Amino acid sequence: AQSVTQLGSHVSVSEGALVLLRCNYSSSVPPYLFWYVQYPNQGLQLLLKYTTGATLVKGINGFEAEFKKSETSFHLTKPSAHMSDAAEYFCAVITNRDDKIIFGKGTRLHILP
Amino acid sequence: KAGVTQTPRYLIKTRGQQVTLSCSPISGHRSVSWYQQTPGQGLQFLFEYFSETQRNKGNFPGRFSGRQFSNSRSEMNVSTLELGDSALYLCASSFLPGTPYSGANVLTFGAGSRLTVL
Repeated sequence: AQSVTQLGSHVSVSEGALVLLRCNYSSSVPPYLFWYVQYPNQGLQLLLKYTTGATLVKGINGFEAEFKKSETSFHLTKPSAHMSDAAEYFCAVITNRDDKIIFGKGTRLHILP
Repeated sequence: KAGVTQTPRYLIKTRGQQVTLSCSPISGHRSVSWYQQTPGQGLQFLFEYFSETQRNKGNFPGRFSGRQFSNSRSEMNVSTLELGDSALYLCASSFLPGTPYSGANVLTFGAGSRLTVL
């Protein structure tokens, strides 16, 4: 069965600095990968997804992620953090075989002024 | 167009009671899935419904149940509430169930129903 590991339950970066949120997955078959963001008192909003094709995926709000099969990773990045990026971020995986979406534990991103 | 609507947004129950939560999907979406979110366990899949049939289920006890109506609206029920059932319950809808999550067929989440069990 597939699984998702997000390194760091809390990450702090200064405003304007690079954002890097790490996600590693485990799957024996090709995965579909997602990043979601959750703002306080709200549901999850899709940031970006990888299904097939180009391994560098661009999403909303300037975020992007790269699927690296050899490293079983799907890290989320943004060149310059903004105060509005403060939220909780979830990496998720699903495969054709299992057909159940599995979420990581989440990483809370703090933006320092 | 309207998003995924969950009601109620907040509720407080006591141990032993039962609760019913409602989810109205985006118009045209026929698949509805439910998730439990807690600080300790994160997001856990409860079940998924498509065309009024449960097609997938997570590892939760039988106290957790759900159903889907012909208009795709879904309800979930938790009976004999325990303190550990306190959580944010999220509903998500999509055109089709499961994979493939390509193109427009992605999960859209509601804001959730926050349940507190005392």
